[in-house]
Amino acid sequence: DIQLTQSPSFLSASVGDRVTITCRASQGISSYLAWYQQKPGKAPKLLIYAASTLQSGVPSRFSGSGSGTEFTLTISSLQPEDFATYYCQQLNSYPRGPNTFGPGTKVDIK
Amino acid sequence: EVQLVESGGVVVQPGGSLRLSCAASGFMFDDYTMHWVRQAPGKGLEWVSLISWDGGSTYYADSVKGRFTISRDNSKNSLYLQMNSLRTEDTALYYCAKDLDYGDYGAFDYWGQGTLVTVSS
Repeated sequence: DIQLTQSPSFLSASVGDRVTITCRASQGISSYLAWYQQKPGKAPKLLIYAASTLQSGVPSRFSGSGSGTEFTLTISSLQPEDFATYYCQQLNSYPRGPNTFGPGTKVDIK
Repeated sequence: EVQLVESGGVVVQPGGSLRLSCAASGFMFDDYTMHWVRQAPGKGLEWVSLISWDGGSTYYADSVKGRFTISRDNSKNSLYLQMNSLRTEDTALYYCAKDLDYGDYGAFDYWGQGTLVTVSS
């Protein structure tokens, strides 16, 4: 099965900072990658799919890039509401499973 | 407005069984693949299972294969997860999620608020 790693696991940043989170796959997954944001006590929210397509309603400060085995989620100017945990997910076998998630990156206030 | 409402989570003993339900509204339920995802307390997300729009195809994570069964009733706009031979490591918040169904690219665009399953003696 394909494994995902994320780096860093924890990130401390300030409002206005540019933040980049990296997701690496254990084998090539083309562009079959999604990114989610989860705040405490809330369900995850889809941010990006197909590696770089912004989900409707998501602010343009979020962007995704990459293909193959290395992907990035970038927040161009961190806002107070962006402090959360971010997960990548591979969907290389879509519409079949498994559709595994990365371990998450927690973005905290510096 | 798309809504997914899970129910059925309780405290159950190891080895026990449980059926979770997810009531869907606000979209054409029978057009979409649906998923179950779980999150153990303080941990990350784990994909559990999926079912195709017509129920004809199902897939499971290795951790639940042979113990859990996903199903759906399109006439009732409902998704189910039958959980048997439960283990303490199945303790988690269980989410149902709708598939984006964007051509070749999947993603989970709507999620419920989850139902908590606790496996403990």
